[in-house]
Amino acid sequence: GAVVSQHPSRVICKSGTSVKIECRSLDFQATTMFWYRQFPKQSLMLMATSNEGSKATYEQGVEKDKFLINHASLTLSTLTVTSAHPEDSSFYICSARDPTGVDEKLFFGSGTQLSVL
Amino acid sequence: AQKVTQAQTEISVVEKEDVTLDCVYETRDTTYYLFWYKQPPSGELVFLIRRNSFDEQNEISGRYSWNFQKSTSSFNFTITASQVVDSAVYFCALSGHPTGGFKTIFGAGTRLFVKA
Repeated sequence: GAVVSQHPSRVICKSGTSVKIECRSLDFQATTMFWYRQFPKQSLMLMATSNEGSKATYEQGVEKDKFLINHASLTLSTLTVTSAHPEDSSFYICSARDPTGVDEKLFFGSGTQLSVL
Repeated sequence: AQKVTQAQTEISVVEKEDVTLDCVYETRDTTYYLFWYKQPPSGELVFLIRRNSFDEQNEISGRYSWNFQKSTSSFNFTITASQVVDSAVYFCALSGHPTGGFKTIFGAGTRLFVKA
């Protein structure tokens, strides 16, 4: 089946640094990718929708300057947490949509645990 | 607006018991997809099932079964003869279009504890 690779799986960084998370669709072209954030023991909250070749669409309350999303190719979207602070510590998960066929196909990466010290 | 409600926050059962996880959804789209995902303690999301809005047939996969009822906007998930390895958080999710823009909205999740 289709695979979405997310890297890194875990990152620890100092406050003030920027962290980049990659999301790749390995065997299909994803015109749309989604980024989610999950706080401990909570649900997944959609942060933004990333469309290849265009600007990401952010959900209400998500700072676009803090969470930079780039979807430069049909197989890669990146999320950069800029000037990270401890409150940005969270589990980030991407998903990629395979638009081919008539059925909705959505595949998730394995997530990235970000810890900001 | 789209919404997914999982009213059960936590459920605790003893191994071999059957357990049903409830999911109620709201959407204005006539075309939508419903999903169940499992999130074990390791954190990754494990896809369990996808059901489109035009297919109300119930589905059984091993110990898992799903009951989709459009009349009550529910998509419940039953685990029969539960096992300790079933302990996880289970999320029900909804993806509707075009109104929903293919975004997947998750319920709050139900944490299932299966005790030996």
